[in-house]
Amino acid sequence: DQQVKQNSPSLSVQEGRISILNCDYTNSMFDYFLWYKKYPAEGPTFLISISSIKDKNEDGRFTVFLNKSAKHLSLHIVPSQPGDSAVYFCAPSARRSNYQLIWGAGTKLIIKP
Amino acid sequence: EAGVTQSPTHLIKTRGQQATLRCSPISGHTSVYWYQQALGLGLQFLLWYDEGEERNRGNFPPRFSGRQFPNYSSELNVNALELEDSALYLCASTPLGLTTDTQYFGPGTRLTVL
Repeated sequence: DQQVKQNSPSLSVQEGRISILNCDYTNSMFDYFLWYKKYPAEGPTFLISISSIKDKNEDGRFTVFLNKSAKHLSLHIVPSQPGDSAVYFCAPSARRSNYQLIWGAGTKLIIKP
Repeated sequence: EAGVTQSPTHLIKTRGQQATLRCSPISGHTSVYWYQQALGLGLQFLLWYDEGEERNRGNFPPRFSGRQFPNYSSELNVNALELEDSALYLCASTPLGLTTDTQYFGPGTRLTVL
C-alpha cells in the first residue's frame, strides 16, 4: 500500500524556468509534509516543509503548495538553477503517531543549461 | 559542527553472512533513525532509537536489528544476508524532543550482497 506517490520518476527543465514536482498521498492522518533533496553519494537534506493548517509555504525560490481535499502537494522551484539538479523526496508524517516519515520514491530533477 | 557520520562507506558481503553498520549522530542529538533505500525506491523506514530505546520499527524481518549506545551512536545489524538486502542504508538524527520532524542524514553505507 503506497501511501505516498511521486508519479514522475524524472523531470527535465530548462534553466531559468519553473520546476514543479508533485506528490500525492492517501493517508488523511498526515498533518506535516516535508521535502528533502538528495545529491548522489550524499544523504537527503531538508528543503522545505508545510503544516496541514496552511496551503502554501514559501522560502526563497522554493514554494510548497498543499491541497488537502485532493491529498496533493507540489514543490515549485523558480527560477530553476543547475544546482537544483537532484532527487527530490516528498515525506509526509502524522505527528500524532511517532513522527515517522513516510517517503515517496523520489523525482529526479534535471536542469538543462 | 560535524554532521551525521556513517561507517563503512561501502560493505560487500555474501549471502548468509552478517553485516554491521554504524552511525554517529550530530552532537546533542539523541534520536537515530535507520532507513533502507533499495535501487529505484524511496526510503523505507527501518528503526528509530531514542535515549537508548527502540521507539518504532518498520516492516522488516527480525534479522534486521540494532541498538543505541549511551553516547547515542547506533549500530544496525543485518543477519543471514539475502541478495535483496543490497541497498543504501541511511542513518538520520534529530535533537532531543518530539517537536521536530526534520532529520539530518549521513551519507549512507552501500551494502552489496553477493
